[in-house]
Amino acid sequence: DAGVTQSPTHLIKTRGQHVTLRCSPISGHKSVSWYQQVLGQGPQFIFQYYEKEERGRGNFPDRFSARQFPNYSSELNVNALLLGDSALYLCASSLLDNSYNSPLHFGNGTRLTVT
Amino acid sequence: GQNIDQPTEMTATEGAIVQINCTYQTSGFNGLFWYQQHAGEAPTFLSYNVLDGLEEKGRFSSFLSRSKGYSYLLLKELQMKDSASYLCAVRDNPGGYNKLIFGAGTRLAVHP
Repeated sequence: DAGVTQSPTHLIKTRGQHVTLRCSPISGHKSVSWYQQVLGQGPQFIFQYYEKEERGRGNFPDRFSARQFPNYSSELNVNALLLGDSALYLCASSLLDNSYNSPLHFGNGTRLTVT
Repeated sequence: GQNIDQPTEMTATEGAIVQINCTYQTSGFNGLFWYQQHAGEAPTFLSYNVLDGLEEKGRFSSFLSRSKGYSYLLLKELQMKDSASYLCAVRDNPGGYNKLIFGAGTRLAVHP
C-alpha cells in the first residue's frame, strides 16, 4: 500500500508569491494534518482536516489556508510568502481524527525555499 | 504554556543501549508518541504511551509517567542505522482533534 504522498518534493519561490502544496493520504485514512518543520526543530501543527471539515488550526497567520477534497486529499496554500516560511511542510494522515490508537503517518514533505 | 524538552544530541556505540528522555508541560494530555526521523526523510512512528508504564516493541521500549510529565525511549542493541533524530510528541486534544506538540528532537549518532 502506498504511504502518504506529497507534491512537489522541492519548491523555490520568491517573497510575495503564493504556493500550493498537495497531499494524498493513505488509502482509507480520512484525516489529514499539516505541519511545518523548520531546520533543527520539531514539526509545528498548522491544520487538521477530517471528513472535509477543518477540525483544528495552529498558531499560523491567515496567509495559511487549507482544504480537503471528497477523496480525502488535501491542499495547503500559503499567500504572500515571507523568507521565514522556508521550511519542510509535512502532511500526515490518520484513520480517525482523535482516537488514541490512530497515530499520524507522515509523508516525505515538501521542501519550500523562499528567496 | 506548552513545553516539551529533550536533549539536543546524544552519542552511543554500536551494540549498546541508549535512553532518550523527554519531559513535557502541556495544557492537555491524550498520549505521548515517539517518532524517528532520518535526515531528509519523513518522521516514522515508533511508539505510543497513554497509560503509565513501559511499552516494548522489539529493540525499542518507551516509558511514561504522567504524574511526573516524563517519558523515555530506550533503544537496545544499537545499530548504525539507528543514527537519526528522535522526536517526542504529546497529543493535546483540544476540541477533540488530533494535534501533536513536538519537541525539537534528539539527534542520536551511533558510532562503531
